[in-house]
Amino acid sequence: GAGVSQTPSNKVTEKGKYVELRCDPISGHTALYWYRQSLGQGPEFLIYFQGTGAADDSGLPNDRFFAVRPEGSVSTLKIQRTERGDSAVYLCASSRLLPGTAGGDTQYFGPGTRLTVL
Amino acid sequence: QKEVEQDPGPLSVPEGAIVSLNCTYSNSAFQYFMWYRQYSRKGPELLMYTYSSGNKEDGRFTAQVDKSSKYISLFIRDSQPSDSATYLCATYTGGFKTIFGAGTRLFVKA
Repeated sequence: GAGVSQTPSNKVTEKGKYVELRCDPISGHTALYWYRQSLGQGPEFLIYFQGTGAADDSGLPNDRFFAVRPEGSVSTLKIQRTERGDSAVYLCASSRLLPGTAGGDTQYFGPGTRLTVL
Repeated sequence: QKEVEQDPGPLSVPEGAIVSLNCTYSNSAFQYFMWYRQYSRKGPELLMYTYSSGNKEDGRFTAQVDKSSKYISLFIRDSQPSDSATYLCATYTGGFKTIFGAGTRLFVKA
């Protein structure tokens, strides 16, 4: 079956512009996660959705970052007034169950969107 | 101090070698431990998952967790060039926030 897809695969923008990054999770997965991965680093948690609501947005670095998942499926990560420091790969993952349940919960990652802010 | 520490490498080994990858973590409340493999320009994929201390084996891969020393290991036997990738250790307490190490780049030479 289809995995997690993310669009665009690459995005180049200028400092100060607004960008939207899209994530299509695996069908039927209720949990959705956004991570940011800088060069040479592991993924850094940004936000977690259970259904339509953001259950944990503690990883969003500041109020320029916002994410939505209005119908409990596709999610969009929105970045306002982009800065050069926002350049990174933005990864989306989805999972079927809540983490911490018996047997754990496997997160399936998309290929990421590589954001470059000039 | 980072919550999960991992030597970024790179680690270069000949084909057929046994590879040992390691991480340390700081919070004794962490209960779930994972190893992910990430190929260049791809998302991470889950390799191994363990709960609490002990060993878990899956084919050529063995994951070890020693909670007394807060040490996580992944062993790869009979390493292959196709194992060349970045290996990420990860953990969480049972909540939603997965915490990753920086990843170790592994190169297996044919």
